[in-house]
Amino acid sequence: EPEVTQTPSHQVTQMGQEVILRCVPISNHLYFYWYRQILGQKVEFLVSFYNNEISEKSEIFDDQFSVERPDGSNFTLKIRSTKLEDSAMYFCASRGEGREQYFGPGTRLTVT
Amino acid sequence: AQSVTQPDIHITVSEGASLELRCNYSYGATPYLFWYVQSPGQGLQLLLKYFSGDTLVQGIKGFEAEFKRSQSSFNLRKPSVHWSDAAEYFCAVGRPSGNTGKLIFGQGTTLQVKP
Repeated sequence: EPEVTQTPSHQVTQMGQEVILRCVPISNHLYFYWYRQILGQKVEFLVSFYNNEISEKSEIFDDQFSVERPDGSNFTLKIRSTKLEDSAMYFCASRGEGREQYFGPGTRLTVT
Repeated sequence: AQSVTQPDIHITVSEGASLELRCNYSYGATPYLFWYVQSPGQGLQLLLKYFSGDTLVQGIKGFEAEFKRSQSSFNLRKPSVHWSDAAEYFCAVGRPSGNTGKLIFGQGTTLQVKP
């Protein structure tokens, strides 16, 4: 069964460093998403991406964040200068023609 | 404002007992409704979804949920819980139109199963 994959599973970085989180969505899906879950809190929407552009973003998704689909398979989230409060689990999701989103296993980002 | 509330943060049931996890939402129109499950170290797995039609929907692993418009609720049920059902359960709502399909999640309910 097709699934969304994410790498790495755990990333540790120092404050101020850039990180890139990678996702491979399900191959025939058209809509792509990033969410995050700070420990003990809700899963929060960050950004949605369709037709090679951002279709919606939350207030969390400021200028420090960017997304890219550099080729036909990968979907990346970049954080330019990480802060301590960026420590969270980051989930990638993709959607086909239906309304259900399929989530990856997540990347745990720890900023020290 | 759009929101999802899961009133129970933590629930413990005995194996074989029935289960109901509550979910209430606040939304401008009838949204699409979802339940996801997250086992430790795993991602979010879709259990079931409601878009329209029959208000009682069946999902995977023997789960079902009932949409009640008058109560703005979408409660998850299972007649007999198995130890492997221990996990965190998230209710989520999505917009019924537009290309983004952003999901709004509740805070989750952690289910513990006693032997």
